[in-house]
Formats: sequence, C-alpha cells, structure tokens
Amino acid sequence: DGGITQSPKYLFRKEGQNVTLSCEQNLNHDAMYWYRQDPGQGLRLIYYSQIVNDFQKGDIAEGYSVSREKKESFPLTVTSAQKNPTAFYLCASSRQEMNTEAFFGQGTRLTVV
Amino acid sequence: QKEVEQDPGPLSVPEGAIVSLNCTYSNSAFQYFMWYRQYSRKGPELLMYTYSSGNKEDGRFTAQVDKSSKYISLFIRDSQPSDSATYLCAMSAGLTGGGNKLTFGTGTQLKVEL
Repeated sequence: DGGITQSPKYLFRKEGQNVTLSCEQNLNHDAMYWYRQDPGQGLRLIYYSQIVNDFQKGDIAEGYSVSREKKESFPLTVTSAQKNPTAFYLCASSRQEMNTEAFFGQGTRLTVV
Repeated sequence: QKEVEQDPGPLSVPEGAIVSLNCTYSNSAFQYFMWYRQYSRKGPELLMYTYSSGNKEDGRFTAQVDKSSKYISLFIRDSQPSDSATYLCAMSAGLTGGGNKLTFGTGTQLKVEL
C-alpha cells in the first residue's frame, strides 16, 4: 500500500536533547512538508521541500532542522533551541503539478520530560 | 486576524442530522480548497478537494466554495457516530513561489450522538 509512514508514534525527550522524527513516503511525491499541531491552533508549517536537496522554512522554523537527501525521506530534527517542543508533529506529501492535495502520515507525539 | 477562520465547536448533533461546517478566509489568492477529517491522535485524512467556486458531492459529503464571499462549507448528510471527529478546512493559492503551501483552519470538533 502506498502511503506516508511516520516513526516513532510516541517520543519522549529530555530537555536539552535533539531528537529526529522520521517521515518516509512511497507515493512518488516530489513535495514533502512538516506541520506542528497544538490544541486550538490548527496546523502550522515548519519546513517544506519541493525537490531533493532543497527545502524552505515555513512559518515556525526556529528550533527545527530538516534534510532531503532522498525523494522518499524528509526527517525533522527538533533541536534544544526549540523552546516549546511538546506537540503533535505531522508529515505530509503532495505532487508538484497543479494538483495540491496533500496526504498526511499518522503523526508523532513528542513530549519533553 | 487569521487568514482562515473556523469555529472550533464542539458541535453536537443527533444521528441522522445534516451537519454544516464552515470556514471563512481573507486571502483572495486562495483557489484550492480542501476538507480533512481527523480522528483523535491520528493524521488528517483528505475528504474533499475543490478548485475555485462551486459544489462537489461525494456520497454523504458535499463541499461548497463561494469565492465572492470567501466562504467554504462542508455538508454531511445522514450523519453517523463514526463521523465524530475534528474537521479541518485547508486552502492554497496553488503553485506560487512558496510551493503548494496549505493554510489550515483550527478545526471544528463534531460529535454525532446516538
């Protein structure tokens, strides 16, 4: 089955640590996205990538970093510089043609302990 | 003011009711409109996708877009308890210099009761 796989489903981090969230897709989509979801605030864009080896900051990129070395993979690192990292993180992908439908993974719940 | 406004609810309806969910927006460049359904602790699932103004129907779901009023709606007919979820509207200006970035509403929580 084609889809987007995020791992792990739950992640706990100590303050001061960097953690990396995985996102893999087998939909052959060019574009990939990372969103953060907090209660009452909807989804906010962290980073996005339209092609391999290229990515752009979204609305809330501070404290996060990404890489796009392969078309299928778009990992997100939450660094110690992110002041409030506890949230639900969602990865999405879409084609780059006129169609703008985005498909989401099942999310990673990150908790700082 | 947010670019996309959506009443967070919660909205509670009896089984079989017609549900109306709405979003308003301020950016006239938006031309692609989507509705996602999100169950608790799960990723959003694409329900409906429409381009520009007009209606689109898919089973019990109907999406309406009124670009002149900057207003979009999702109607659910014969609502079921399994429709209980959070519904997110999303929209995009398409392939601009920023790529296919989606702007989301905050979501409306719906509960369909037996």
